[in-house]
Amino acid sequence: KAGVTQTPRYLIKTRGQQVTLSCSPISGHRSVSWYQQTPGQGLQFLFEYFSETQRNKGNFPGRFSGRQFSNSRSEMNVSTLELGDSALYLCASSPGGGSYNEQFFGPGTRLTVL
Amino acid sequence: DQQVKQNSPSLSVQEGRISILNCDYTNSMFDYFLWYKKYPAEGPTFLISISSIKDKNEDGRFTVFLNKSAKHLSLHIVPSQPGDSAVYFCAASAEGYGQNFVFGPGTRLSVLP
Repeated sequence: KAGVTQTPRYLIKTRGQQVTLSCSPISGHRSVSWYQQTPGQGLQFLFEYFSETQRNKGNFPGRFSGRQFSNSRSEMNVSTLELGDSALYLCASSPGGGSYNEQFFGPGTRLTVL
Repeated sequence: DQQVKQNSPSLSVQEGRISILNCDYTNSMFDYFLWYKKYPAEGPTFLISISSIKDKNEDGRFTVFLNKSAKHLSLHIVPSQPGDSAVYFCAASAEGYGQNFVFGPGTRLSVLP
């Protein structure tokens, strides 16, 4: 089975721009979660999508949004980029049926905001 | 306010010895815990989990201990191998959180040959 894939792997943007990141989950997985990782902060939960609906949301401003398509692929969008948005953005997929499912992570997209 | 804490940013251990990574949490609602390992340029990889109905779970060289009264869990790796050198994240969740896992900041383990 193919793992979780994220595109692009690296991205450089300037302040004020917007960016869209893509995640393809493991085949058959219906839950996709997004995390932001910055040095010293660990992984901060952004949101989770399950069957095209946002099921959970973390404490991030509205500039961070996402969506999920019928094939479970998910996109994350960040508008009006700020320097502090520079981070590794990780996507994780899971079967999603129950409360506690092991999450399978992709390699991440490294976003640099200049 | 960090709900999941890993107070040791780094740990060095000799090959063959035991590695003990610690994690503390503040939210008493957490009832499911996981450990992930992360190599550079890769996403985290699931290692082992434990639910609050247990106080110990083993999987090969990896054992996780949970002390609910102290809100503390630890990951033991015996024996440690150089390939175990990575960043280890502790994560916690609660009923109703869905896939919203709260992660600690991570501990970088270096296993010296």
